[in-house]
Order: sequence, then C-alpha cells, then structure tokens
Amino acid sequence: GAVVSQHPSWVICKSGTSVKIECRSLDFQATTMFWYRQFPKQSLMLMATSNEGSKATYEQGVEKDKFLINHASLTLSTLTVTSAHPEDSSFYICSARNAEKLFFGSGTQLSVL
Amino acid sequence: GQQVMQIPQYQHVQEGEDFTTYCNSSTTLSNIQWYKQRPGGHPVFLIQLVKSGEVKKQKRLTFQFGEAKKNSSLHITATQTTDVGTYFCAGTLGNQGGKLIFGQGTELSVKP
Repeated sequence: GAVVSQHPSWVICKSGTSVKIECRSLDFQATTMFWYRQFPKQSLMLMATSNEGSKATYEQGVEKDKFLINHASLTLSTLTVTSAHPEDSSFYICSARNAEKLFFGSGTQLSVL
Repeated sequence: GQQVMQIPQYQHVQEGEDFTTYCNSSTTLSNIQWYKQRPGGHPVFLIQLVKSGEVKKQKRLTFQFGEAKKNSSLHITATQTTDVGTYFCAGTLGNQGGKLIFGQGTELSVKP
C-alpha cells in the first residue's frame, strides 16, 4: 500500500516556541492531504485540508494563524504550530488520499511545557 | 454539524467471543470506510463500502452498509488477542469535498 511518512514522531518544546511537522507521501502524489488532531482515547478531529499550490481549508474553530499549513509540492505538506502553549499538546496525524483510501502518517506527539 | 456516531465506546470480550461496532449518520453517506488503530499506532485502512446494502468479508471480519447508506457495522467472529485496538468508521459526504468524518471509535479489548 501507499506510504505516508510523518516527522518528527514526538517533540517536546517550551511554551511560546513554534513546531513544524512534516508529512510526505513517499510513493504517490497527493494533491490533498489532511491534518487531524487526536486526544487520548478520542476520535480523529479534522483540523484542515491541505491543498497543493493553494490555501488550506480549515475546519470551524481551528485558528488559521495558529496552525499554519503549507503544501508546496505534491508530496509534502507541513503543519506549523505557532507560539505553542500547553493546551496545544496533543497527537497530530496527517493523511493523504490515494485511490479513495486514506493513508496515515505515524503521527506526532507534541508536548508543550 | 454533521456527525458520525459510533457505539459502543468500549467493548471488553473474552477471546473467542464475537464483537460488533455500529456506526450511524444523520445524513446519507457517499461511502463509508473502516480503520483500525492499534494502541500507540496510527489508523490503518481496512475496507470501503460504497453500495447500498453492501456486505464485505475479510476473514473473520464482516462489514455491512445499510440500505439507506446511513449506517454501517463491523462484526468480528471469534475474537483473538490480535484484534485488540480501536476501530473507527469514517463516512464521506458527497457535498463536503470528499472529506472523511470519523466516528468516535470503539476500543476493543480481548481477554485471553
């Protein structure tokens, strides 16, 4: 199956710093990627849809200036959590669509101190 | 807003027992997909159902899509410890650009 690589797997940062998470489709091109947030033992909440070459589409309640998304190529989307605060601590996971199936990255556990 | 409801939230079974999780949507879905997430892992695609009343099987797993395309179920026969994880349904709305709306998930634990 298709492979989606996500880095880093985990990151610990100080409050106020910014963190960038990368999502790459390794063996297919993805014009659309999705960014989710998952709290422990909860479902995946769609944050935004990343569109190659254009602006991301954010879900209601998700701050655009807080979660910056860039999708500059057909194989790479990045999510930057700006000025992170402890409440941003969560599991962030990306996915890319290939032949109607979603393939997920391994996720990034963000801990903001 | 649009929600996909999934029950139960947790299910604890003895190895060998059957398990079923149910998924319901308030509106008609274009299709429904099922994913499995092992503890500490990421969701992995299991199957997609598209047609009304569709039934698909994967070994001990049986997936159904309702006639009205508003509900779905996943049934596991004779559970094994390897079945442990959280099972998510995810529905696609035709007027939402193809984005998937995930159910809350059902966490399955299997006691050997």
